[in-house]
Amino acid sequence: ETGVTQSPTHLIKTRGQQVTLRCSSQSGHNTVSWYQQALGQGPQFIFQYYREEENGRGNFPPRFSGLQFPNYSSELNVNALELDDSALYLCASSGEGTQKDEQYFGPGTRLTVT
Amino acid sequence: AQKITQTQPGMFVQEKEAVTLDCTYDTSDPSYGLFWYKQPSSGEMIFLIYQGSYDQQNATEGRYSLNFQKARKSANLVISASQLGDSAMYFCAMREGASWGKLQFGAGTQVVVTP
Repeated sequence: ETGVTQSPTHLIKTRGQQVTLRCSSQSGHNTVSWYQQALGQGPQFIFQYYREEENGRGNFPPRFSGLQFPNYSSELNVNALELDDSALYLCASSGEGTQKDEQYFGPGTRLTVT
Repeated sequence: AQKITQTQPGMFVQEKEAVTLDCTYDTSDPSYGLFWYKQPSSGEMIFLIYQGSYDQQNATEGRYSLNFQKARKSANLVISASQLGDSAMYFCAMREGASWGKLQFGAGTQVVVTP
């Protein structure tokens, strides 16, 4: 059973650019959630995808968008990058029907916007 | 409004001692789940323990136990027999209702275990 993987590990972008982050879910998991974790803070929920459809969104502007593919891998896209977008981006996968709703997190992508 | 409050920014604990990390939550939904995660300096969030709002008994997972006081809306994590490898950031999180996979996290508590 493979865990959740994310790529790239680190990324440096310039303000105004666009970025795509990738996440490969744990085998058998059809739900992926994305979180933004600014330095020194707890993760903030961005959005969730379930069976390729967006299934809930946190308080993030539309320039944060996502995709989930038939193999349940996922992308997070951020347009018009701002300095405040610098953060660790975490994805988490989970399966349906489990009371515990345990999510498995990837190692994260650290994005720096200059 | 903050849904999850962790009032201890940082704590030092000696090896082999027990430590309690505080967490209070705020929700009006009768169905919710409470989680604790550990985040080492590497960044990955590691699931530790879960408590459902309808669970009658406090959750335990090895050296981790959750002191669930529903009336007080608190869900404190107790780590027994601390080890050097327990040094990390610890986050309390909540899922409200049927919002599976949509967690709200607290600000975290940094734990440093000393020899």
